[in-house]
Amino acid sequence: GQQLNQSPQSMFIQEGEDVSMNCTSSSIFNTWLWYKQEPGEGPVLLIALYKAGELTSNGRLTAQFGITRKDSFLNISASIPSDVGIYFCAGPNSGTYKYIFGTGTRLKVLA
Amino acid sequence: NAGVTQTPKFRILKIGQSMTLQCAQDMNHNYMYWYRQDPGMGLKLIYYSVGAGITDKGEVPNGYNVSRSTTEDFPLRLELAAPSQTSVYFCASSYGTGSSTDTQYFGPGTRLTVL
Repeated sequence: GQQLNQSPQSMFIQEGEDVSMNCTSSSIFNTWLWYKQEPGEGPVLLIALYKAGELTSNGRLTAQFGITRKDSFLNISASIPSDVGIYFCAGPNSGTYKYIFGTGTRLKVLA
Repeated sequence: NAGVTQTPKFRILKIGQSMTLQCAQDMNHNYMYWYRQDPGMGLKLIYYSVGAGITDKGEVPNGYNVSRSTTEDFPLRLELAAPSQTSVYFCASSYGTGSSTDTQYFGPGTRLTVL
């Protein structure tokens, strides 16, 4: 079945640094979603992407829908301590509403 | 709006016990989902529903049952709890309009431990 691979698995960065993470699949996705999960909470939607090549921003966050439709990227600029959490990519299994989630990128920001 | 609510927040079960995890949404969403998240892992879909009276299996349905008698509620039942079901359970909902702009909203989760 479809799988989403995220890299890196974890990151330790200094406050103020920029962050890049990506999500790849062996098959095509028509929608890419990026979520953030904080400890003890459910995932919260950050950015949704619906067209190949689309670049969308939400504050310091920018995400791109890869041209091949098999990948997506999330960038965080000028990181702050509250950016700490797990970032998940997700997308619907082709032709269904069954969403597949990546394994997540764990981000820690050192003040 | 409360969004998606889940009860209980925490529960400890003994092997073989049964319980129902409750999920409700007040956004008039058609689609509802149950996921489990094991430590250090992503979310796996257990069951989902596209409307009242309609449910379907996800990736990991064994050991669980669901029902959808109303648009608002989507309870998840564990009949014979096993240690492998120790996990955090998340409920989510979406409009399910059929358009590519549909997105999911998550509840805060239920932490279940089976001993």
